[in-house]
Order: sequence, then C-alpha cells, then structure tokens
Amino acid sequence: EPEVTQTPSHQVTQMGQEVILRCVPISNHLYFYWYRQILGQKVEFLVSFYNNEISEKSEIFDDQFSVERPDGSNFTLKIRSTKLEDSAMYFCASRGTIAGELFFGEGSRLTVL
Amino acid sequence: QKEVEQDPGPLSVPEGAIVSLNCTYSNSAFQYFMWYRQYSRKGPELLMYTYSSGNKEDGRFTAQVDKSSKYISLFIRDSQPSDSATYLCAMSDKNRDDKIIFGKGTRLHILP
Repeated sequence: EPEVTQTPSHQVTQMGQEVILRCVPISNHLYFYWYRQILGQKVEFLVSFYNNEISEKSEIFDDQFSVERPDGSNFTLKIRSTKLEDSAMYFCASRGTIAGELFFGEGSRLTVL
Repeated sequence: QKEVEQDPGPLSVPEGAIVSLNCTYSNSAFQYFMWYRQYSRKGPELLMYTYSSGNKEDGRFTAQVDKSSKYISLFIRDSQPSDSATYLCAMSDKNRDDKIIFGKGTRLHILP
C-alpha cells in the first residue's frame, strides 16, 4: 500500500540552528501539507502546497518556515532558526483529488535544546 | 469561541459497547468533515469522510453531520480493544479546502 515517508524520524538540534525535514508523498498525489503537534496538544495546520506554490498557510507559518518541492518526489520543510517552542512532531501529508482525504506520514520528532 | 471543540477525554468503555464521539464547531462555512484515528506516536489515519450534512456508514463506524447545530458525531459499534486510540475530528471550508482544521482529539480506551 502506498505511504507517505518522512525523514528523519527524530532530530535533536540546538536553538538557532537550521533544520530541514523531508517527506516523500504518495507518488500520484498533487497536494501536500505540513502539520505539527506539540506534545499533548492538537494537530495544527502549518501549510498546504499545490502546483509548486503555497495554497494556504497558518499564522504559525511565519518567515522562519519555508517549504520546497526540489524534485518530483520530495517535499521539504525548512526551519531557518529554530526556537525552543518549535519542539514538536511534524507530520507531512498528501492527498489526491478528494479534499480532506489526507494520508499522513509517521512524523518527524524535532527536539530543540 | 474556538473554531473546533472536542472533549479530550479520556473516555473508557467496556468492549462491545457503542461509543459516541463528537465535536462542535463555529464556522458555518465548513463543508468537509472528517474523522481521523491516531495511535500513540503515529500519524493520523483517515477513518471517515463526509461532505455537508447527513450520515455515512462504513462497517462498525457511522459518521453524522448536523450543520444546523454545528455538531458532528462518530459512532463505533461493537467496540474492540484495538479501537483504543485518539480520535480527531477535522473539517474544512469548501472555499479553502486545503486548510483542514483538527479538533484536539478524544482519547478512547476500550476495556477488555
């Protein structure tokens, strides 16, 4: 069964460092998403991406965040200068033509020290 | 008022019982309504998807949407210990269907 894969599964970084989280969406999907979940809290929308551009973003997704689809298979989230409060599980998701039918990866746990 | 409200639980029920989970929301423009299941330290998994009002059934799961009351429900019949997980409601606006908003999730424990 096709799945969304994410790397790394866990990353520990120092405050102020840049982090890149990587995702390989399901191959025939065209819509891509990043969500985050701080421990014990809700799954929060960060950004959606379609046709090589951001289609929606939340107020959380400020200038320190960026997304990119550098090739035909990868979808990345970059955090330029990490803060302690960026510590969370980051989930990538993709979908086909049905709005709302998101397929999530297993997540990348980011710990900022 | 929060956009999507969901009782975090935990909710503990005996095996075989009918489980009722629900969410309320404030944005009347929401048209797509979903239920996701999330096991500990895993990504959410789509269970049910409905558009606008009405009921949808899939095996032991039934989703209901009442747009007039801004209230959605998920029923699980013949609950099993393997149903123990966190259940997340999610929804989006038809005109902004790429911004899917999640509830906080209800932790469900099915007791053998």
